[in-house]
Amino acid sequence: GAVVSQHPSRVICKSGTSVKIECRSLDFQATTMFWYRQFPKQSLMLMATSNEGSKATYEQGVEKDKFLINHASLTLSTLTVTSAHPEDSSFYICSASGGGGNQPQHFGDGTRLSIL
Amino acid sequence: SQKIEQNSEALNIQEGKTATLTCNYTNYSPAYLQWYRQDPGRGPVFLLLIRENEKEKRKERLKVTFDTTLKQSLFHITASQPADSATYLCALRNRGSTLGRLYFGRGTQLTVWP
Repeated sequence: GAVVSQHPSRVICKSGTSVKIECRSLDFQATTMFWYRQFPKQSLMLMATSNEGSKATYEQGVEKDKFLINHASLTLSTLTVTSAHPEDSSFYICSASGGGGNQPQHFGDGTRLSIL
Repeated sequence: SQKIEQNSEALNIQEGKTATLTCNYTNYSPAYLQWYRQDPGRGPVFLLLIRENEKEKRKERLKVTFDTTLKQSLFHITASQPADSATYLCALRNRGSTLGRLYFGRGTQLTVWP
């Protein structure tokens, strides 16, 4: 089955640090990748949608200067949380789709971000 | 307003029984609906996809039904096992969405006890 690798799985860092999270599709080309945030016992909240080679589309209320997304190739998208603060602590999950809008999304294993 | 409701936040059943989880939606026009399994601290794992013109899909012990009149999908796990304990998420893709964006419910936490 389709495999999506997300790295790192856990980050603990000081307030003010910028953190980069990588999302790779290992055995398929992902024309579209999605970045989500999930709070305990809550649903996945879509932050942004990225297409290879173009700018990401951010959901309302998500600061694009705070959460930088780069989708430079068909197998890699990165999310950088810039100048992270304690309120940015959360579980971040990426997903990738093979394209066409009719393929299931396959998820990475998430990154637990803790800002001290 | 748009809503996706998974009616039970938690469901506890005995091993061997059939678990039935419900997903109801309001003010969406799904092209398809998906079910995912999520374990604590992990990303969701895709289970089944059912399209708007399909009534039922099966995969091993799993069965999904989709009723666009009732605006409801049911997810069944037959002969349930303790290893089936997890949170199950339903998600739908709205017709006309070119990027394949999914809308998720909050999930139902299933516990199967021996």
